[in-house]
Amino acid sequence: GAVVSQHPSWVICKSGTSVKIECRSLDFQATTMFWYRQFPKQSLMLMATSNEGSKATYEQGVEKDKFLINHASLTLSTLTVTSAHPEDSSFYICSAAEREGWGETQYFGPGTRLLVL
Amino acid sequence: AQKITQTQPGMFVQEKEAVTLDCTYDTSDPSYGLFWYKQPSSGEMIFLIYQGSYDQQNATEGRYSLNFQKARKSANLVISASQLGDSAMYFCAMREGQRKIGTGFQKLVFGTGTRLLVSP
Repeated sequence: GAVVSQHPSWVICKSGTSVKIECRSLDFQATTMFWYRQFPKQSLMLMATSNEGSKATYEQGVEKDKFLINHASLTLSTLTVTSAHPEDSSFYICSAAEREGWGETQYFGPGTRLLVL
Repeated sequence: AQKITQTQPGMFVQEKEAVTLDCTYDTSDPSYGLFWYKQPSSGEMIFLIYQGSYDQQNATEGRYSLNFQKARKSANLVISASQLGDSAMYFCAMREGQRKIGTGFQKLVFGTGTRLLVSP
């Protein structure tokens, strides 16, 4: 399967700072990437869909000014949590979609654990 | 209404035995895809298996098979010969519709997951 990397894997920051998370597709070009958030013992919640060269599509209830997404190239999407607060502490995970013969599959990065103090 | 329902919060199985993880879905779109992912304690989401709504055969991938019953709208994952390394959270997910030109790939909707524990 395709490989997706995510960096950093762990972030601890002070309240009020901004944090940037990178998501890269290593061996394929991803025109679409997705950003999810997962709270402990819960399922993945889609935050936004990131399309290369265009604005991201945010899910209802997700503040686009709070969670800035940039999909500058076919292999890189970034999520910036602006002015992070303790309630933003969570596990953030990205995926990149690849078209395959019988359909399309999302391959996930290893995730980033964010702790805001 | 829930689009993906996983009714088993936790399952136990002994090593080398088979286990079935349940998943039911709800959609009115004739074209959809069903996925299973494994999430170990490290957090990464590992793609296991895919079933398309038009696929005639049940999907299989090594020890994983998908019991697809379209009329009942169920897509249960069967793991044969369980191993200790299979202990993890398992998520069922659905993609509705086909990829639309100009709008990119369709998003996935996830179930709440089932925690599988394999004992020696």
